[in-house]
Amino acid sequence: AQKITQTQPGMFVQEKEAVTLDCTYDTSDQSYGLFWYKQPSSGEMIFLIYQGSYDEQNATEGRYSLNFQKARKSANLVISASQLGDSAMYFCAMREDSQGGSEKLVFGKGTKLTVNP
Amino acid sequence: DSGVTQTPKHLITATGQRVTLRCSPRSGDLSVYWYQQSLDQGLQFLIQYYNGEERAKGNILERFSAQQFPDLHSELNLSSLELGDSALYFCASSVEQGRTQETQYFGPGTRLLVL
Repeated sequence: AQKITQTQPGMFVQEKEAVTLDCTYDTSDQSYGLFWYKQPSSGEMIFLIYQGSYDEQNATEGRYSLNFQKARKSANLVISASQLGDSAMYFCAMREDSQGGSEKLVFGKGTKLTVNP
Repeated sequence: DSGVTQTPKHLITATGQRVTLRCSPRSGDLSVYWYQQSLDQGLQFLIQYYNGEERAKGNILERFSAQQFPDLHSELNLSSLELGDSALYFCASSVEQGRTQETQYFGPGTRLLVL
């Protein structure tokens, strides 16, 4: 079963506007972490923001914020004041708290964001 | 720059060959993870090492193997290469294990093309 679902293969936004990239997840763990990464066309994976399952406040990092709705199992990324350099693939990922197990990240399929001038 | 280095950046080889991908984690990071990114499978976890010991295995083929050395750098060995092994291979590192908030920082990746 897919653990991370990103339903938007592609999104377009005008420069300086805000955009929301959707992510829903599936887990039976109480403790888990949610991450967003950005992958520009050059290929590297850049960490953007983290949200813990027990965090009561939504995470923010500069122009990035995470709209965390635990009951809905959603962790949407909000980018404010979009810039041309924000054009990239964005991946949502989850790490479950596995006792003595792997700390692997499970990734969604990604959303390609294009920022138009 | 994440602080994770990977070499080589690009690799072109033929079917049936063997290649070695190298990763140096960020200074102080003990955990190393390998991921494969392909068009059809997306980003998939292959294997994790922690302080020299194998920690977990994911969807790693038997033709693939890895190790982490005492200086904490890691190598991913891919043998009997097939066309389908063409992908972007990432190494990531994190400080320690066992905490869900531990961020994994990714290297720039090695782009492997098997002809």
